[in-house]
Amino acid sequence: DAMVIQNPRYQVTQFGKPVTLSCSQTLNHNVMYWYQQKSSQAPKLLFHYYDKDFNNEADTPDNFQSRRPNTSFCFLDIRSPGLGDAAMYLCATSPGHGSYNEQFFGPGTRLTVL
Amino acid sequence: QKEVEQDPGPLSVPEGAIVSLNCTYSNSAFQYFMWYRQYSRKGPELLMYTYSSGNKEDGRFTAQVDKSSKYISLFIRDSQPSDSATYLCAMGSNYQLIWGAGTKLIIKP
Repeated sequence: DAMVIQNPRYQVTQFGKPVTLSCSQTLNHNVMYWYQQKSSQAPKLLFHYYDKDFNNEADTPDNFQSRRPNTSFCFLDIRSPGLGDAAMYLCATSPGHGSYNEQFFGPGTRLTVL
Repeated sequence: QKEVEQDPGPLSVPEGAIVSLNCTYSNSAFQYFMWYRQYSRKGPELLMYTYSSGNKEDGRFTAQVDKSSKYISLFIRDSQPSDSATYLCAMGSNYQLIWGAGTKLIIKP
């Protein structure tokens, strides 16, 4: 089945220790998104790619970076995680850039910062 | 004021009840309105999509958009325990999608 896969599902890191979260998709979608979701809060868009064009949301902290080496894979790097970065990180894809496009989500990576 | 407001709940109802979930918004330019369902420890999945105003029905689910009041609703008829999840509204125009915080729904058997 075509899907969005995120690894790992659970990640524990220490304060200030870099961490990388990965996402892969078999849907062959042009657009990929990274969201941060905290409990009882709206998903917060961090980055999105339209094909190779990278878009950084204005309020995404510099501590967060992303890479998309090819259509199928996307990575989220957190250079120096703080306690406030503990959250669920969701990867999503969509076939096009418009907001009317359905977004297909992976199961998320739950990040714990000790 | 947030662009999209959604009561976080939790909303607890008995099995078989009619459920009404709502979002209000402030941007009159929004044209695309969606409801996503998110089960515990899973990513959201699209449940209903409506363009502009009006109603859309799919099985036990009905989505309503009232652009004059800037208000959208999701109705669930004959609610089932399997409907227990968090329901997020999302809306936008052009390229930006704005999300609500989600309402946690609990259907008691």
